[in-house]
Amino acid sequence: QKEVEQDPGPLSVPEGAIVSLNCTYSNSAFQYFMWYRQYSRKGPELLMYTYSSGNKEDGRFTAQVDKSSKYISLFIRDSQPSDSATYLCAMSAFSGNQFYFGTGTSLTVIP
Amino acid sequence: GAGVSQSPSNKVTEKGKDVELRCDPISGHTALYWYRQSLGQGLEFLIYFQGNSAPDKSGLPSDRFSAERTGGSVSTLTIQRTQQEDSAVYLCASSLDGGSNQPQHFGDGTRLSIL
Repeated sequence: QKEVEQDPGPLSVPEGAIVSLNCTYSNSAFQYFMWYRQYSRKGPELLMYTYSSGNKEDGRFTAQVDKSSKYISLFIRDSQPSDSATYLCAMSAFSGNQFYFGTGTSLTVIP
Repeated sequence: GAGVSQSPSNKVTEKGKDVELRCDPISGHTALYWYRQSLGQGLEFLIYFQGNSAPDKSGLPSDRFSAERTGGSVSTLTIQRTQQEDSAVYLCASSLDGGSNQPQHFGDGTRLSIL
């Protein structure tokens, strides 16, 4: 079983839709959770960073962590064509230097 | 620039040749990571440097792969006797001090193609 599971999509939505991206994980030691956005031929760009459970909001983006279910989500409100990219989740435990990445979900927002 | 810089952005070479990929981390970041990203695959960890500590080489796929970091800043990933399966995007990331609570910041990668 992989440490982190992420549905690869692809996901296609109309402009203005609410997008929900998700990852599940198996290691209960994970404490730090990140979402990255990766445009084609570019490196991953850090979008959201959260610690432990709860919600964090930044503009149109909301990151949600449910440690009891080992499930994290990224919500994008009022999606825009510029949001079209691959979204990767990542997580790490309290100690150590290893980060675990999902395989990424490809999102297309259609104008 | 303020971000992680990688060069070259693209590299095409013949099977059997050696290649060197360069990474210049964010100024002040002591931790540096190398990853490999293949189509449809997640990020594969290769190697991790933190300050003057011995690097964590546990992700290097074979002895054809090596990396060094001189002066605690710039890093070079070397692949000897390249094989076609080495074709991938090689990403470098840096973080402030390598702690698991420090998110990584990535460069745009080197797209390596082995003919």
